[in-house]
Amino acid sequence: SQQGEEDPQALSIQEGENATMNCSYKTSINNLQWYRQNSGRGLVHLILIRSNEREKHSGRLRVTLDTSKKSSSLLITASRAADTASYFCATKETSGSRLTFGEGTQLTVNP
Amino acid sequence: ETGVTQTPRHLVMGMTNKKSLKCEQHLGHNAMYWYKQSAKKPLELMFVYSLEERVENNSVPSRFSPECPNSSHLFLHLHTLQPEDSALYLCASSRDRGYEKLFFGSGTQLSVL
Repeated sequence: SQQGEEDPQALSIQEGENATMNCSYKTSINNLQWYRQNSGRGLVHLILIRSNEREKHSGRLRVTLDTSKKSSSLLITASRAADTASYFCATKETSGSRLTFGEGTQLTVNP
Repeated sequence: ETGVTQTPRHLVMGMTNKKSLKCEQHLGHNAMYWYKQSAKKPLELMFVYSLEERVENNSVPSRFSPECPNSSHLFLHLHTLQPEDSALYLCASSRDRGYEKLFFGSGTQLSVL
């Protein structure tokens, strides 16, 4: 099974609404990262949260991390049509040496 | 622009062809990566180079052959590929091999006929 599973797989909202995506993982992690990917393009790093942090903000993005539940959430406030993309969480395991990506959440923001 | 440039953007090749994918980073990073992205699947790490030395080979078939001539350039040489190798191939770099904040190129969309 996956280390880093996003939920929901797809989300469709109206412009101006908030979008929340969740990520669950299975093992102990060093950090968790969120990336965004526009269709047919590469991934863009959004935010990194370390295992000893609980919340981080960057502009309209808010990320939380609950290590006891092995879960993270990404909140995009006041969404825009330009936020339409796939969003991936990636976990850096404490014991491992690599970054493991989930399957992503496809976000559609309707104008 | 992310500072990581991949060429070509699209590639169609037959199963008997030989082609190469190129990646160049202008960020002064010491680690470079090849990832494969197939539809409905998570990104798969293929190779990792740190200071031009291959430090990870994730059980990739030998028909994929990486090359890192210097810390700014990374190649993926392809030969006798299979149709299931069709995917988006992404190059990424990071300051070191700690996997913190990867910078990705736009990818090469590969179709194997």
